[in-house]
Amino acid sequence: SAVISQKPSRDICQRGTSLTIQCQVDSQVTMMFWYRQQPGQSLTLIATANQGSEATYESGFVIDKFPISRPNLTFSTLTVSNMSPEDSSIYLCSGFPGQGGEQFFGPGTRLTVL
Amino acid sequence: QQQVKQSPQSLIVQKGGISIINCAYENTAFDYFPWYQQFPGKGPALLIAIRPDVSEKKEGRFTISFNKSAKQFSLHIMDSQPGDSATYFCAASSGNTGKLIFGQGTTLQVKP
Repeated sequence: SAVISQKPSRDICQRGTSLTIQCQVDSQVTMMFWYRQQPGQSLTLIATANQGSEATYESGFVIDKFPISRPNLTFSTLTVSNMSPEDSSIYLCSGFPGQGGEQFFGPGTRLTVL
Repeated sequence: QQQVKQSPQSLIVQKGGISIINCAYENTAFDYFPWYQQFPGKGPALLIAIRPDVSEKKEGRFTISFNKSAKQFSLHIMDSQPGDSATYFCAASSGNTGKLIFGQGTTLQVKP
């Protein structure tokens, strides 16, 4: 299956600042997603990153807080804006090639907000 | 209705034993049920997946059993090994949306 890389792998940020996480897939995928995994918890879908258009957000997540870009079929960014300690989590991107394919995940970005 | 409930939360098994993790769902529109394995500091990796047209799927030591009428599915790990110690997540999605709803996760420890 394809390989996803994420940058940065981890970061420690100050309250009120923003961090942009990059996700790169080594092949074109139909869909890309962003998930959040709070410490010791399961994964929660934040949004679907749509190529060339605005992302589709799940309930409880908004564009102002988590702006997402997807300029092409292999790259996406997630920004965590105006961070608070509650945003401390692992953020994971995933790629999905479409019907019949498997969804695969990047290694995650571990974010700590002080 | 979008929830996927997973149990147990944690599991300790002796080497060579069988590990069993269960999941239940409510949404009958779900038609894809994968299991992911996650090691500390890594992203989840697909282990095995099933669609509702079959009741069982086996890949090596890993088997998914699926009960459509009960809306339940389970992962069986045969001959469990210490290297299987990880967190396991069941998930479900519908159609070709790709949107995965994850269970709460099960931390498996296989003792040598």
